[in-house]
Amino acid sequence: QVQLVESGGGVVQPGRSLRLSCAASGFTFSVYAMHWVRQAPGKGLEWVAVISYDGGIKFYADSVKGRFTISRDNFKNTLFLEMNSLRAEDTAVYYCARCGVSGICSSSGSGMDVWGQGTTVTVSS
Amino acid sequence: DIQMTQSPSSLSASVGDRVTITCRASQGIRNDLGWYQQKPGKAPKRLIYAASSLQSGVPSRFSGSGSGTEFTLTINSLQPEDFATYYCLQQHSSYPWTFGQGTKVEIK
Repeated sequence: QVQLVESGGGVVQPGRSLRLSCAASGFTFSVYAMHWVRQAPGKGLEWVAVISYDGGIKFYADSVKGRFTISRDNFKNTLFLEMNSLRAEDTAVYYCARCGVSGICSSSGSGMDVWGQGTTVTVSS
Repeated sequence: DIQMTQSPSSLSASVGDRVTITCRASQGIRNDLGWYQQKPGKAPKRLIYAASSLQSGVPSRFSGSGSGTEFTLTINSLQPEDFATYYCLQQHSSYPWTFGQGTKVEIK
C-alpha cells in the first residue's frame, strides 16, 4: 500500500543540525513532488518546504529559508530534510506528504494526499 | 503571501448535528483549496480537494463548497469519529502554501 515513513527526529541543542528522512513505498516516488509540513506542540500545521518530482525545483517557508534544505533520492525512494542552525521554535512534529497529483504540483487538485506518521524534533539545551 | 482565516476556532456539537466551518482567503484562489482532518496524535488526512471534490474513501456526509475567497466545509449528521480538528489549505499558484488556523470540533 502507499506509505510514507519518517525517521531521524530526536532531541538536539540549539544551533546544531539534524537530518530527517522519509521513506516512500507503494507508488512511483519519482513522479511526485513532495512536501514537509510541521506542527509545533499544541499548534496548527505549517508548510515547510516542497521539492519537485525531479529535485530541480525547491521552495521554502520564510521561517526556515537559508537553514533547511530539502532533497530527494529517487533511486532510494527517499525524501530528506537537512536542518541546520536549529532554534527552539523549530521544535515540532515533522510530516512528509505527497503532492496530490503527479508531475507539476500546481493545480487545484494537488494539495497533499498521503502523509507519513510524523517524526518529533525537540530543540532544547 | 496568501493568508487563510478559518472560523470558528472551536465549536461544540452533538452527534447528528450539521456542522459548518469557513475559510476566507486574503485574495482570490479560484478553487485551489483542500480540507484536512486531524485526530490527536495522528497525521492529517485529506477530506476534500479542489474545494468541492471528495477524497476517495471519505464518507459522503463531508462536503466542500466555495470559490475565490470564501470556502466552506460541511459535515452532515456528525458522527462520533468526526470529533477532530479540521484545517483548510490553500495551494494557489506560487509558494508558500498556507493552512488555516484550525477548527476543533468537540462533543457537546
